[in-house]
Amino acid sequence: EIVLTQYPATLSLSPGERATLSCRASQSVSNYLAWYQQKPGQAPRLLIYDASNRATGIPARFSGSGSGTDFTLTIGSLEPEDFAVYYCQQRYNWPPLTFGGGTKVEIK
Amino acid sequence: EVQLVETGGGLIQPGGSLRLSCVASGFSVSSNYMNWVRQAPGKGLEWVSVIYTGGNTYYADSVKGRFTVSRDNSKNTLYLQMNSLRAEDTAMYYCAKGYCSGGTCYPPYMDVWGKGTTVTVSS
Repeated sequence: EIVLTQYPATLSLSPGERATLSCRASQSVSNYLAWYQQKPGQAPRLLIYDASNRATGIPARFSGSGSGTDFTLTIGSLEPEDFAVYYCQQRYNWPPLTFGGGTKVEIK
Repeated sequence: EVQLVETGGGLIQPGGSLRLSCVASGFSVSSNYMNWVRQAPGKGLEWVSVIYTGGNTYYADSVKGRFTVSRDNSKNTLYLQMNSLRAEDTAMYYCAKGYCSGGTCYPPYMDVWGKGTTVTVSS
């Protein structure tokens, strides 16, 4: 099973700042990695698929990069609605699908 | 509107059974990979099961042999039969549709999620 490790666990930033979130895989997943956003009391929302492709309707301030074992989700300029928990997920070797433990982006 | 609505959760004693339902609207469950994902209180996401368009099913090791995913195409509904429930199965259970874009599908990614249904296993 591929283990995904996300860091930092918590990121404290102000609106307008740039957010950089990381996800590391225990083995190469090529570019088969997605990012999700989850707000309290809501279901996750797909942001990025296959490492760098924005899902339908996702604003351009969200971008993804990386391949192999190291991946980054960047939020160019944080909007108030972007404060949430973010998860990465791999599809390189599944089932099982695996998710990272999450990074919480909180208001500083 | 593309939508998923889960029902069937509740409080159940250890060893008991529950069947979750997920009614789809705006698309066909039989034409999409459909997943169940759960989230224990205050924890992260855990994939539970998938049913392929062809009917193949797969499970997380933690539920294999106890949970069964199925669908009723005539009702456009996905199910999760959960037997021999344990305290560690306590979670919010979401159903979710595999993602397709521009005619290409990426089934392990999930773009439409229900609001979830809560399962609590406790005596």
